[in-house]
Amino acid sequence: KAGVTQTPRYLIKTRGQQVTLSCSPISGHRSVSWYQQTPGQGLQFLFEYFSETQRNKGNFPGRFSGRQFSNSRSEMNVSTLELGDSALYLCASSLMAATGELFFGEGSRLTVL
Amino acid sequence: QQPVQSPQAVILREGEDAVINCSSSKALYSVHWYRQKHGEAPVFLMILLKGGEQKGHEKISASFNEKKQQSSLYLTASQLSYSGTYFCGTESSGNTPLVFGKGTRLSVIA
Repeated sequence: KAGVTQTPRYLIKTRGQQVTLSCSPISGHRSVSWYQQTPGQGLQFLFEYFSETQRNKGNFPGRFSGRQFSNSRSEMNVSTLELGDSALYLCASSLMAATGELFFGEGSRLTVL
Repeated sequence: QQPVQSPQAVILREGEDAVINCSSSKALYSVHWYRQKHGEAPVFLMILLKGGEQKGHEKISASFNEKKQQSSLYLTASQLSYSGTYFCGTESSGNTPLVFGKGTRLSVIA
């Protein structure tokens, strides 16, 4: 069974640019969550999607957005990149929304110069 | 609200035991524990639900004190493979997202 796939794995952008990250969940999983991981801050919740609907949103500015498609694949977008957006962005899928084991992808490491 | 984990880091020799604590200022519905090895994705260890029993997983077990909004992860007779960063995640209800603590870095040395 294939795991959670995130693309791209690494990317470098400059301030002001925008970036789109993609996540393909485990087949059959309908819930996708996104987390930002930085040293010292742990895993910060960004959003959670279930059946194409955003169920929860973390405390991030409006520059961070996401969506989920009918095949459960999800994308997140960050516009007007800032240096502080440099981080590892992790996607996790689960069978159902809420209370369940999260299966994480290996993440997309974003560096903003 | 982000749960607080303690200690932030711990170094053990093989065979020693460790306890990692996770506390929240909010009433909790569930506590999750994950381990992330360097350069890898976090991996699920266990979930403790409100009203549930203490869970165990090989030599790793956990407890959940609902009244104190605290959970503890117990690692017994540690092995080199236990090294990594341990995260607790908490939910205040079944409809809220999983909020993780900042993690506890555990290093097991020979």
